[in-house]
Amino acid sequence: GENVEQHPSTLSVQEGDSAVIKCTYSDSASNYFPWYKQELGKRPQLIIDIRSNVGEKKDQRIAVTLNKTAKHFSLHITETQPEDSAVYFCAASSNGGADGLTFGKGTHLIIQP
Amino acid sequence: SAVISQKPSRDICQRGTSLTIQCQVDSQVTMMFWYRQQPGQSLTLIATANQGSEATYESGFVIDKFPISRPNLTFSTLTVSNMSPEDSSIYLCSAMGRGRPSYNEQFFGPGTRLTVL
Repeated sequence: GENVEQHPSTLSVQEGDSAVIKCTYSDSASNYFPWYKQELGKRPQLIIDIRSNVGEKKDQRIAVTLNKTAKHFSLHITETQPEDSAVYFCAASSNGGADGLTFGKGTHLIIQP
Repeated sequence: SAVISQKPSRDICQRGTSLTIQCQVDSQVTMMFWYRQQPGQSLTLIATANQGSEATYESGFVIDKFPISRPNLTFSTLTVSNMSPEDSSIYLCSAMGRGRPSYNEQFFGPGTRLTVL
């Protein structure tokens, strides 16, 4: 089955700086890669996703890149703000997500004022 | 995005008993899933809830322990059977397939926090 590795487990950045979270996956059949943000005590919220036919996708301060050859994808957050503090999960799935999601272990992002 | 609700939001149960968790989506969806998230950890897929047929379970999860129903395109239940303290966790349902452009997007319910004594 699929295995998703996520690094780092904790990331502390100064407000206004950029944050990068990296994930690798094992199954070459995976073709859908979402990122979720989870605040304490709340449900995971989808923040951005990318499909395997796209190398990069951007939405305001958030971007995701995908390297299919190396089987890794990354989340980039620019101009970080205090409200970006949360746990971020990457995930991978085949069949466009219809096979369910395999999640990474999560990154606790801390934005220092 | 779809609105997904779960009942109960939390429960404390005795070992050996069973609990059924309900998941309701506000519109018809193609796929529904059940995940488990232990406190401070990641999400693990339990099974895909198939409408009108038996659920598809992931490795390590079995139907006798986690029976699942999905009688229609908006509703599913997960039962945690013969509970032990190791079943203490947050159980989340999710849904996808509401139509383009959000077809692939998987939305989560608020979760059910289960404590087994």
